[in-house]
Amino acid sequence: TQLLEQSPQFLSIQEGENLTVYCNSSSVFSSLQWYRQEPGEGPVLLVTVVTGGEVKKLKRLTFQFGDARKDSSLHITAAQPGDTGLYLCAGSYSGAGSYQLTFGKGTKLSVIP
Amino acid sequence: KAGVTQTPRYLIKTRGQQVTLSCSPISGHRSVSWYQQTPGQGLQFLFEYFSETQRNKGNFPGRFSGRQFSNSRSEMNVSTLELGDSALYLCASSRQGSNNNEQFFGPGTRLTVL
Repeated sequence: TQLLEQSPQFLSIQEGENLTVYCNSSSVFSSLQWYRQEPGEGPVLLVTVVTGGEVKKLKRLTFQFGDARKDSSLHITAAQPGDTGLYLCAGSYSGAGSYQLTFGKGTKLSVIP
Repeated sequence: KAGVTQTPRYLIKTRGQQVTLSCSPISGHRSVSWYQQTPGQGLQFLFEYFSETQRNKGNFPGRFSGRQFSNSRSEMNVSTLELGDSALYLCASSRQGSNNNEQFFGPGTRLTVL
């Protein structure tokens, strides 16, 4: 059974601060995705990373996939209240069951104005 | 392009009843996956359908079942409801369900079992 661990589970910061969220797995993933979910809504895809060592940027968000493709991080620069939400990482792995995503339990981020 | 739609958005049932949830994927998407989200367990994979065939199934009891129609719309059914089935049920669609597996989620159906 593939497991994804996210940390921290909760994060409350002031507007303008930087933060990093981590996602670690016990298995090598063929791809990894980050989603953001707001209360009462479904997760919204932010980015997909596929290649070990890959770095992708989305405005103030920077996503990194570990060289061994077993971990990933999301860094937010100068957080804003609009960044508040539940951040989820999800991995897809090769072989049987490759059509499913395994999700971490998420990081609940609160950005205080 | 319209997103993934799910109906109903909210549902209240009592223990022992059964429920059917519906999902319409993004036009052109042939893969539909279902997830259960609870505060304690997070998002857990239920099953995935592609071209009317279930390709993968998560670790849930047989009370949870699903199907997909020729137009890619999908339904999931939960029989003999238990209190622990209270959750947000999310449907996600993707083009092929490939290893890159970018999935697009609907808003979910909030099921409350009393």
